[in-house]
Amino acid sequence: DAGVIQSPRHEVTEMGQEVTLRCKPISGHNSLFWYRQTMMRGLELLIYFNNNVPIDDSGMPEDRFSAKMPNASFSTLKIQPSEPRDSAVYFCASSLVSGGGGELFFGEGSRLTVL
Amino acid sequence: AQTVTQSQPEMSVQEAETVTLSCTYDTSENNYYLFWYKQPPSRQMILVIRQEAYKQQNATENRFSVNFQKAAKSFSLKISDSQLGDTAMYFCAFMIPGGSNYKLTFGKGTLLTVNP
Repeated sequence: DAGVIQSPRHEVTEMGQEVTLRCKPISGHNSLFWYRQTMMRGLELLIYFNNNVPIDDSGMPEDRFSAKMPNASFSTLKIQPSEPRDSAVYFCASSLVSGGGGELFFGEGSRLTVL
Repeated sequence: AQTVTQSQPEMSVQEAETVTLSCTYDTSENNYYLFWYKQPPSRQMILVIRQEAYKQQNATENRFSVNFQKAAKSFSLKISDSQLGDTAMYFCAFMIPGGSNYKLTFGKGTLLTVNP
């Protein structure tokens, strides 16, 4: 079975450029999460969707970040314009929420470097 | 807000020995879930073990077990018979089920090195 699929695995870009990270959750899962991992701050939740609807975006750092989930099988995280401090590994995770603590399945992450 | 604290940034253990990773958390909730995730050098986060707060019995998964002390808000992970493949970052995580609180809050992690 395919797990959570993220692309690209690595992205190097210059400050000011637009970056789009993509995620395909596990089929049948109804919740999707975007996390950011840095050495300084660890793993931070950026945004959480349930049934394609954003439920909690309080972790989105600022207006330069936006996330969409147009359907149950695809989500994007966009940074525009990108800055060097956005350099991090971005993880997408999906889960089947059924009233309890469902396991989150993570993708392999997208490592972003902004020069 | 919920917080998760892992007080050991790094630990090491000899192959075949036992090691315990510490985790404490802070919450006013009574119903919640606790997890240990492993992140090997490949970077992918993998669930190791999970504990429901309403269960008194400590969770066990093969060589991995937890010591859940609800009153003390402590959730330590014990790895028995350590193997080289256990070398990884280990993250303790906390979740409150339901509504907008359904999200994992992670600790900063413990880097475990298993030495041959």
